[in-house]
Amino acid sequence: QKEVEQDPGPLSVPEGAIVSLNCTYSNSAFQYFMWYRQYSRKGPELLMYTYSSGNKEDGRFTAQVDKSSKYISLFIRDSQPSDSATYLCAMSPRGSNYQLIWGAGTKLIIKP
Amino acid sequence: DTGVSQDPRHKITKRGQNVTFRCDPISEHNRLYWYRQTLGQGPEFLTYFQNEAQLEKSRLLSDRFSAERPKGSFSTLEIQRTEQGDSAMYLCASSYHRDGNQPQHFGDGTRLSIL
Repeated sequence: QKEVEQDPGPLSVPEGAIVSLNCTYSNSAFQYFMWYRQYSRKGPELLMYTYSSGNKEDGRFTAQVDKSSKYISLFIRDSQPSDSATYLCAMSPRGSNYQLIWGAGTKLIIKP
Repeated sequence: DTGVSQDPRHKITKRGQNVTFRCDPISEHNRLYWYRQTLGQGPEFLTYFQNEAQLEKSRLLSDRFSAERPKGSFSTLEIQRTEQGDSAMYLCASSYHRDGNQPQHFGDGTRLSIL
């Protein structure tokens, strides 16, 4: 079993919908949680970076961490066709951020 | 553009040849990382540097792979005697490390195709 599980999708939703992307993990030592967006033939782009449990909001994006359930989420409001990409979660324990543990990514398609 | 820069963007070579990739990190970042990514997977850690010191290498990293960061600025990743299985996207990332964890920022990668 992988340390980080992420549904590969694809997830297809209509423009304007609220999107929910999720990852589950098994290592309770993880304390730093990241969401990256990756367009085809491009590198991962950092979207959200959170520490420990709670919510963080940035524009249309909200990251949520539930350490008790070992579950993280990324919500996208008012989704746009330009949000179509692969979304990767990554995490690391405190004091060891050199080696991120990654999900396999969820492919998101926003239909106009 | 002050992001992470990688060169070349795409490299096509014959099996058995050597290849070298370059990465220029964000200028104030002291940590530099190399990853490999194949289709449908997250990036796989290869190695990282803090300034010019190579502090960690993945146990999965073959001895055909070598990386350098001679002056603590740009880095090179060399693959000797390339094999079909080396075909992948090679990603470079950088971060500023002082106290606590800071996020890694990625370049757009070098896509390696082995004929």
